[in-house]
Amino acid sequence: IAGITQAPTSQILAAGRRMTLRCTQDMRHNAMYWYRQDLGLGLRLIHYSNTAGTTGKGEVPDGYSVSRANTDDFPLTLASAVPSQTSVYFCASSEADGTDTQYFGPGTRLTVL
Amino acid sequence: GQNIDQPTEMTATEGAIVQINCTYQTSGFNGLFWYQQHAGEAPTFLSYNVLDGLEEKGRFSSFLSRSKGYSYLLLKELQMKDSASYLCAVRDSNYQLIWGAGTKLIIKP
Repeated sequence: IAGITQAPTSQILAAGRRMTLRCTQDMRHNAMYWYRQDLGLGLRLIHYSNTAGTTGKGEVPDGYSVSRANTDDFPLTLASAVPSQTSVYFCASSEADGTDTQYFGPGTRLTVL
Repeated sequence: GQNIDQPTEMTATEGAIVQINCTYQTSGFNGLFWYQQHAGEAPTFLSYNVLDGLEEKGRFSSFLSRSKGYSYLLLKELQMKDSASYLCAVRDSNYQLIWGAGTKLIIKP
């Protein structure tokens, strides 16, 4: 593994189903983030984690939950998917090195029908 | 509210120079980032400005004026591979990134 990986690459999901998007990084970064990207809008922060064991809510957290059991993994769960959650989801990580530059995974394209 | 404004789309010619502007109104300022995003791919980091002035990195330069809430990304000697969206993001007082919607840059031969 090099950098950040996300799985699945894409998924079509029936409304009401539960879904977990996986994110793993091997850079030993403390901070991790989940964003959604919708056409015509900027990236919007869903949840974040500044360090293992802690999480926080971003701009659009409703309908989503996260956990951070260790440094490397930061899964995002949709408890009961709705069509408005159709989006491209990006996971990112950063190191607390002054600039805190965020590095992104390849994304998961999710369609909720 | 917090706001990042960028043009939606720009067109330029291969070999030319293009300037992409970004204006922001945020609660606090702790740095401004530019990212490049090719269609269907993840954003990748281009530049970071926290002090006023110009930062140059090869063909790409980024400028910041904190008093004007303004930044630009300058791309020189444009290549076809520069066709992409360019995202401006500002880190606010809570150290969260606020993102613009991005500028789609189309390069024509």
